[in-house]
Amino acid sequence: NAGVTQTPKFQVLKTGQSMTLQCAQDMNHNSMYWYRQDPGMGLRLIYYSASEGTTDKGEVPNGYNVSRLNKREFSLRLESAAPSQTSVYFCASRDGQANIEAFFGQGTRLTVV
Amino acid sequence: AQRVTQPEKLLSVFKGAPVELKCNYSYSGSPELFWYVQYSRQRLQLLLRHISRESIKGFTADLNKGETSFHLKKPFAQEEDSAMYYCALSFRRDDMRFGAGTRLTVKP
Repeated sequence: NAGVTQTPKFQVLKTGQSMTLQCAQDMNHNSMYWYRQDPGMGLRLIYYSASEGTTDKGEVPNGYNVSRLNKREFSLRLESAAPSQTSVYFCASRDGQANIEAFFGQGTRLTVV
Repeated sequence: AQRVTQPEKLLSVFKGAPVELKCNYSYSGSPELFWYVQYSRQRLQLLLRHISRESIKGFTADLNKGETSFHLKKPFAQEEDSAMYYCALSFRRDDMRFGAGTRLTVKP
């Protein structure tokens, strides 16, 4: 099984450019998440989706939008990239039941210059 | 607000020494707590969950509701334990928050 797949793995953007990070899972999970990982800040939740058709803001949603296209896919869009959005982005998914582990993608390293 | 605090960003111990990674949380309901680990060049993966009360790779973690803590412990650290460790709290419609992480280095 592929598990959670993120594309692209690396990306360099110029300030003001837009892009979409893609995430797909093949485990039939209800819940999907987007996090950013920054040194000293740990993993911070950007947005999550508890089920198809629903999305909720996390800790740091400003500057981002998300789409839960279907049960498998959850995309993260940067409309106008800023240097402060330079980070490693992780997608995760898990079943909707309590105390169930989350599975993570391999990460996308994004640099905004 | 719901929060996970890992007070130590870096922790260094010698092989064979005991290790404790601290995690405190703030949440008024019944928490779901986890420890995740990220080895070099690998994906973040689950290490422990509080509900299971299990020992994985020699690590244990006990939920202390009075102190709102979920510290991770291992009596004898090994070099292969060197990694980044994250404590995580799950609550309300699958919101899941992580701490800032602790980078553990086990020296030979």
